[in-house]
Amino acid sequence: EPEVTQTPSHQVTQMGQEVILRCVPISNHLYFYWYRQILGQKVEFLVSFYNNEISEKSEIFDDQFSVERPDGSNFTLKIRSTKLEDSAMYFCASSLVPGGTEAFFGQGTRLTVV
Amino acid sequence: KNEVEQSPQNLTAQEGEFITINCSYSVGISALHWLQQHPGGGIVSLFMLSSGKKKHGRLIATINIQEKHSSLHITASHPRDSAVYICAVTFGNEKLTFGTGTRLTIIP
Repeated sequence: EPEVTQTPSHQVTQMGQEVILRCVPISNHLYFYWYRQILGQKVEFLVSFYNNEISEKSEIFDDQFSVERPDGSNFTLKIRSTKLEDSAMYFCASSLVPGGTEAFFGQGTRLTVV
Repeated sequence: KNEVEQSPQNLTAQEGEFITINCSYSVGISALHWLQQHPGGGIVSLFMLSSGKKKHGRLIATINIQEKHSSLHITASHPRDSAVYICAVTFGNEKLTFGTGTRLTIIP
């Protein structure tokens, strides 16, 4: 069964450092998303990406964050100058069409900022 | 504001019991998703529905569009069903808006 893969599964970084979270969406999917879940809280939308550009972003997704699809398979989330409050589980998801079809999630990257 | 509410927040039941988890939302949606999150954190999609009822094994999901309400039922519950069950909706755009989740514990 096709799946979304994320690397690394766990990342520990020093406050102020830059991190790149990587995702390989399902190969024929066209819509890509990043979500995050702070420990004990609900999952929150960060950004959606389609046709090589951001289609929607939340108020969380400020200048500290950026996304990129550097080639035909990878989808990355970059967090510059990490803060303690960036510690969370980050999920990548992809879908064939937006919203109304099943979304496939990766297993998540647990980011710990120390 | 587009809200998704789930109840109960926590549910503990004996193995074999029939389980119901509820989800309500504030405005019209294009689709509702039921997701399962295991202790390791990974999220698995269980159902996507926009009307009626869907069944997969011991899991049943229903939605009432007029009442803006959905339920997830588990028949003959088993300890391996223990997880967090999350309701999420799309309000006509691409992104999912998540509920807070229901933590289900099934005791042998």
